[in-house]
Amino acid sequence: GNSVTQMEGPVTLSEEAFLTINCTYTATGYPSLFWYVQYPGEGLQLLLKATKADDKGSNKGFEATYRKETTSFHLEKGSVQVSDSAVYFCALSDHGTGRRALTFGSGTRLQVQP
Amino acid sequence: ETGVTQTPRHLVMGMTNKKSLKCEQHLGHNAMYWYKQSAKKPLELMFVYSLEERVENNSVPSRFSPECPNSSHLFLHLHTLQPEDSALYLCASSPSAGDYEQYFGPGTRLTVT
Repeated sequence: GNSVTQMEGPVTLSEEAFLTINCTYTATGYPSLFWYVQYPGEGLQLLLKATKADDKGSNKGFEATYRKETTSFHLEKGSVQVSDSAVYFCALSDHGTGRRALTFGSGTRLQVQP
Repeated sequence: ETGVTQTPRHLVMGMTNKKSLKCEQHLGHNAMYWYKQSAKKPLELMFVYSLEERVENNSVPSRFSPECPNSSHLFLHLHTLQPEDSALYLCASSPSAGDYEQYFGPGTRLTVT
């Protein structure tokens, strides 16, 4: 079956540090990949997506590249801010299996200190 | 209103109560979802509706009963819940089931006493 594995948190960084949150996946078909963010007290928001191998998704300074050879979709940002503190979820939508919902990772909490 | 809205935002109920959670989407989507988010656990998919038809039910106890009267509205009826059902319940929608990114509401924080 499909699965998404994320690095365990929390990840604690100082402001302006470089961020990487690792995500790897297992899928039987041809997945689209997503990063969602959940700010405190809110629901999940789509941050970025990639629909095929070698695509790079980007938004708000965050980037992730769909690497089929390593089945990975790592999230990066060059300089984090305190306002980036949130929980980040990696997810996939598998077009090949007919499953009708996203498969989410367990989430990685990011804490950015001033 | 735009996007996906959920009411109430917070709910405290006793184990013998009956209550309902409401979700409304203003995006013209055809698929709607209920998820449960518990502390320190992955997001759990509960139900999927496509064009008002339930297409996925992930072994959810019968004390949770979904209803989708039209493609814009989704309800989750609750009765005789247990304390372990306390969680954040998230509603989401997408253009169709499974193939596209999902848009989430802010959630209902449920506490069962």
